[in-house]
Amino acid sequence: EDKVVQSPLSLVVHEGDTVTLNCSYEVTNFRSLLWYKQEKKAPTFLFMLTSSGIEKKSGRLSSILDKKELFSILNITATQTGDSAVYLCAVDDNDMRFGAGTRLTVKP
Amino acid sequence: DGGITQSPKYLFRKEGQNVTLSCEQNLNHDAMYWYRQDPGQGLRLIYYSQIVNDFQKGDIAEGYSVSREKKESFPLTVTSAQKNPTAFYLCASSTDRGLVYGYTFGSGTRLTVV
Repeated sequence: EDKVVQSPLSLVVHEGDTVTLNCSYEVTNFRSLLWYKQEKKAPTFLFMLTSSGIEKKSGRLSSILDKKELFSILNITATQTGDSAVYLCAVDDNDMRFGAGTRLTVKP
Repeated sequence: DGGITQSPKYLFRKEGQNVTLSCEQNLNHDAMYWYRQDPGQGLRLIYYSQIVNDFQKGDIAEGYSVSREKKESFPLTVTSAQKNPTAFYLCASSTDRGLVYGYTFGSGTRLTVV
């Protein structure tokens, strides 16, 4: 059965901490893996990963994909309260399959 | 500004009633999607459409119906056959199945059955 599993389900940290969010997957025809940030309602696009070992960066956020071990990580350094959100991982294998998300809470 | 608009933001329905959720986009995207989000679960695909006048069932289509008469619009009807309709519904659109830029999501409609 195709699936996308994110861990942890929730995480509470303090400002300035670094966090790593995990996404593992088992799909039949992998095309790409995407990360989204959902703050209140609409998820916003963060990264799309298609190749192993190539890190994508945007400010304090970075992500990398391991197609051999079938997982991706999303790193956030020097966290801020504005990073508090649900982070969704999705895998495109002709259908877009979403994980349950990781709820990140950053305390002042 | 281009974007995707869902309405209403909150919707209350009595059991046995059908309700229709609106989704409109002005991004000139060919593909549109409806997802359902429940607490602790990932987004689950209800229906999707890659072209006008054509749509396909997703993983949880039972109790839902859609139409795609215009490129810009993809309304979702939650019928009385849907046994547990209380959820948060997200509409999304994309070009080329989101292969390059992912999806653009609307702000969602929270449906509550009372």
